[in-house]
Amino acid sequence: AQTVTQSQPEMSVQEAETVTLSCTYDTSESDYYLFWYKQPPSRQMILVIRQEAYKQQNATENRFSVNFQKAAKSFSLKISDSQLGDAAMYFCAYRSSGGGSQGNLIFGKGTKLSVKP
Amino acid sequence: GAVVSQHPSRVICKSGTSVKIECRSLDFQATTMFWYRQFPKKSLMLMATSNEGSKATYEQGVEKDKFLINHASLTLSTLTVTSAHPEDSSFYICSARNSGNTEAFFGQGTRLTVV
Repeated sequence: AQTVTQSQPEMSVQEAETVTLSCTYDTSESDYYLFWYKQPPSRQMILVIRQEAYKQQNATENRFSVNFQKAAKSFSLKISDSQLGDAAMYFCAYRSSGGGSQGNLIFGKGTKLSVKP
Repeated sequence: GAVVSQHPSRVICKSGTSVKIECRSLDFQATTMFWYRQFPKKSLMLMATSNEGSKATYEQGVEKDKFLINHASLTLSTLTVTSAHPEDSSFYICSARNSGNTEAFFGQGTRLTVV
């Protein structure tokens, strides 16, 4: 079974600085997807960024980028120029490439990010 | 992006009663819907997966007779918490995806309080 591990329960960053959130996963599959979700106090799950395992290039979305190391099974999220609105819980998630019930997300335990003004 | 609407956002019910939570995909056909439960300051725990027109597949430890899931159409799935007890109080979140989508889209969640 696949597992996702986030080893940092809490992180803090100064506004405008850069922070990296860690995520490792375990799988025997070769094709899969990885995601970072943000959950603010409203508790709405918001997709931040996604990565297809078959792509070697790291995904980037504006201030958010990932460092995807497939061999090491590592998928860290870097937030540049941190803003107060980035404060939230961040969940790393894994999804098999198959459809149907295989399409469910497996979540890590989350990292609570605080942004200091 | 695709929109998933979950209703109600908050509900308080008495012990022993049943509560129905709706999850609707507004602008796409959701072939698969997922129901999660989230305890305070915890991660999302998958409860069940439902495919349109089929019986839901429940995760180990989730009582299917207590958490009834119906996915009768491509745009609507419902979760009914039957004979609710205070320990069922939690945050419930649905997500939906189309077979052609890489990602699933989440509803806003429902905070259930059983008194």
